[in-house]
Amino acid sequence: AQTVTQSQPEMSVQEAETVTLSCTYDTSESDYYLFWYKQPPSRQMILVIRQEAYKQQNATENRFSVNFQKAAKSFSLKISDSQLGDAAMYFCAYRSAVEYGNKLVFGAGTILRVKS
Amino acid sequence: DAGITQSPRHKVTETGTPVTLRCHQTENHRYMYWYRQDPGHGLRLIHYSYGVKDTDKGEVSDGYSVSRSKTEDFLLTLESATSSQTSVYFCAISWARNSGNTIYFGEGSWLTVV
Repeated sequence: AQTVTQSQPEMSVQEAETVTLSCTYDTSESDYYLFWYKQPPSRQMILVIRQEAYKQQNATENRFSVNFQKAAKSFSLKISDSQLGDAAMYFCAYRSAVEYGNKLVFGAGTILRVKS
Repeated sequence: DAGITQSPRHKVTETGTPVTLRCHQTENHRYMYWYRQDPGHGLRLIHYSYGVKDTDKGEVSDGYSVSRSKTEDFLLTLESATSSQTSVYFCAISWARNSGNTIYFGEGSWLTVV
């Protein structure tokens, strides 16, 4: 079974600065997808960014980018120019591309606090 | 807006009583899921469905049952609620099998078992 580990329970960043959230995963598969979800206090789950394992290029979405290291099974999220609205719980998630069901496996989450 | 409605959004119930949570979708997605969220665990899969009357267990299925008699509805039932089932429950939907498509989440149902 696949596992996802987020080793940072909490992180803080100053407004306008850059922060990196860590995620590692364990799998024997070679084809899969990785995701970062944002959960603000409203508890809504918002997809931030997605990475296909077969793509070498790191995904980017505006101020959000990832560092995908397939051999190291590492998938970190970098938030540039942090804003107060970025404060939330962030979840890293894994989904197999071969296993039936499109099921997501989540890490425990990292709370990001943004200081003004 | 992915067209997912969860009901009830908040419920307080007593230990030993049955509880049913409903997930309704308007997108005709084939796959539906129930997750629970607890501190220190992230979201964990309870059950999922890949079509009408087709369901399977997830990571934390003990104490839960599900039913899907229509494409648009996926019901989660706690036959006899326990305090350990106090949690936030999320329904999710997905378009197609093993595609790159995103999984969309409902807004969550807060369940407290006293």
